[in-house]
Amino acid sequence: GESVGLHLPTLSVQEGDNSIINCAYSNSASDYFIWYKQESGKGPQFIIDIRSNMDKRQGQRVTVLLNKTVKHLSLQIAATQPGDSAVYFCAENRGDTDKLIFGTGTRLQVFP
Amino acid sequence: DAGVIQSPRHEVTEMGQEVTLRCKPISGHDYLFWYRQTMMRGLELLIYFNNNVPIDDSGMPEDRFSAKMPNASFSTLKIQPSEPRDSAVYFCASSAGQGTNYEQYFGPGTRLTVT
Repeated sequence: GESVGLHLPTLSVQEGDNSIINCAYSNSASDYFIWYKQESGKGPQFIIDIRSNMDKRQGQRVTVLLNKTVKHLSLQIAATQPGDSAVYFCAENRGDTDKLIFGTGTRLQVFP
Repeated sequence: DAGVIQSPRHEVTEMGQEVTLRCKPISGHDYLFWYRQTMMRGLELLIYFNNNVPIDDSGMPEDRFSAKMPNASFSTLKIQPSEPRDSAVYFCASSAGQGTNYEQYFGPGTRLTVT
């Protein structure tokens, strides 16, 4: 039979525009969140993290926003570049283990 | 530091054969994680170790899979016998410590193809 893979949401943006990648988490007890970037053929790479006692954290060209009320996390990339094309994963730690629980990912495509 | 090192980078084997994947974590990291990534299931945690001791192996798919960490600088993931559905990219990741920082550093992965 035909196999069906995960359907990755895809965000297409023009070079230079800002990108916003969203993630919903399920466990209100989660107290640590992290974003990873995975380029084709490589392992996931850390981008930025945030603890639940914060609602915003900024890095170089990236900002993570956390809304605990609606259990929503977003990653904003300013002035998106072709090198930002990748799959982006959010992950959470639920506080009772040492594991990270990963989301299914969002594919970011940057076109000129 | 060279980062997390995995070997081999690619492995092609026939169904029924034993496969051993290897990982060297970042020096000083106390945690080591094995993941499997497929199009069907995404990124799945198989097992993780703390100070060389397996803590949670609930993600190991079946008895054909086993993992060991004989010392702080080396871990193996073994599949015996291998099956075509085991074809995937297997990642190893390590972490310095939990409680305040759960950041995991991933290796480049081993792409396994079972024919």
